[in-house]
Amino acid sequence: EAGVTQFPSHSVIEKGQTVTLRCDPISGHDNLYWYRRVMGKEIKFLLHFVKESKQDESGMPNNRFLAERTGGTYSTLKVQPAELEDSGVYFCASSRSSGHNEQFFGPGTRLTVL
Amino acid sequence: GNSVTQMEGPVTLSEEAFLTINCTYTATGYPSLFWYVQYPGEGLQLLLKATKADDKGSNKGFEATYRKETTSFHLEKGSVQVSDSAVYFCALRGGYQKVTFGTGTKLQVIP
Repeated sequence: EAGVTQFPSHSVIEKGQTVTLRCDPISGHDNLYWYRRVMGKEIKFLLHFVKESKQDESGMPNNRFLAERTGGTYSTLKVQPAELEDSGVYFCASSRSSGHNEQFFGPGTRLTVL
Repeated sequence: GNSVTQMEGPVTLSEEAFLTINCTYTATGYPSLFWYVQYPGEGLQLLLKATKADDKGSNKGFEATYRKETTSFHLEKGSVQVSDSAVYFCALRGGYQKVTFGTGTKLQVIP
């Protein structure tokens, strides 16, 4: 089966612009997660969808970040307006429903804000 | 809250050397513990895991034992190869779904 895919692989934007990242989970995975790694630090949790509902968004840094998962399939993460400190690698992961199922990670999107 | 502390890198080893990457954690309850690996240009992959105390996770010659008494999950490999060069992340998952990661340790193995 195809793995988790993310688009784009790299994005370079200027401060104040808007960027939208996309994640396509593994087919049939109800759980979708967003994480990010900033400045070579630890990978931090952003939020968790179960199907189209936000189960946990405690890691979202501020209201410049908006995540959606309409229809419970792919998800988008929009940053508007982008700031310098938003630069980093954004990972998406998905897992099957319920229980302690393994999370499968995508390759990440490297975002650079100039 | 949960946290993971792992040794800072980069770690540079010669091929066939012994590898240890230290990892300790803080968590309530009984978390599951993981090591993830990110090879250059690729995404995160689960390397191994352990779900309860004294469990040993192993894969591709790597091992880690869940030590509740020392809250540790050190990664070891007896003989590293150039192909093991990557960034290694220690992580835990508690009662909630989200995974808590350490900062990552970059390993470079030279021929």
